[in-house]
Amino acid sequence: GNSVTQMEGPVTLSEEAFLTINCTYTATGYPSLFWYVQYPGEGLQLLLKATKADDKGSNKGFEATYRKETTSFHLEKGSVQVSDSAVYFCALSRSGEAAGNKLTFGGGTRVLVKP
Amino acid sequence: ETGVTQTPRHLVMGMTNKKSLKCEQHLGHNAMYWYKQSAKKPLELMFVYNFKEQTENNSVPSRFSPECPNSSHLFLHLHTLQPEDSALYLCASSPTSGTRSTDTQYFGPGTRLTVL
Repeated sequence: GNSVTQMEGPVTLSEEAFLTINCTYTATGYPSLFWYVQYPGEGLQLLLKATKADDKGSNKGFEATYRKETTSFHLEKGSVQVSDSAVYFCALSRSGEAAGNKLTFGGGTRVLVKP
Repeated sequence: ETGVTQTPRHLVMGMTNKKSLKCEQHLGHNAMYWYKQSAKKPLELMFVYNFKEQTENNSVPSRFSPECPNSSHLFLHLHTLQPEDSALYLCASSPTSGTRSTDTQYFGPGTRLTVL
């Protein structure tokens, strides 16, 4: 079946540090890949997505590239801020099924950015 | 994105109570979802509704009963829950639950449920 594996946290960084959160997936067909972010006390918000191999999603300084050869979708940001402290979820959406668009999530990675 | 609202935000109930969670989306979407977010576990998809019809029940116990009276509203009726059902219950919506896996799901803030 489909699965998503992401690095366990928490990840603690200083402000302006470089952030990488690894995400790898197992899926049949050609899934779409997503990063969602959950700030304290809130629901999930879409951060970025990529729908086919070699696509790069980007938003708010975050980037992730859909790497089919390594089945990965690692999230990166060059200079984090305290406001980036949150839990980040990697997810994939199954394709080619009659009732598609069901997300499979990784376990989430908590990121804490200190001033 | 504030297009998906959930009420109540917090709920405490006993194992013999009956309560309902409500979700409303103002985005004109046709698909709605219930997820369960437990501590130290990945988000679990519970139910999917597409154009008011249930298209997915992910082996959810019958003590959880969803209802979708129209494409904008989704309820989760709860009865005789167990303490292990304590979790954050998230509602989401998307334009469609068809074959378009590229569709983004938009989430509400969740209802924090505690079962005593």
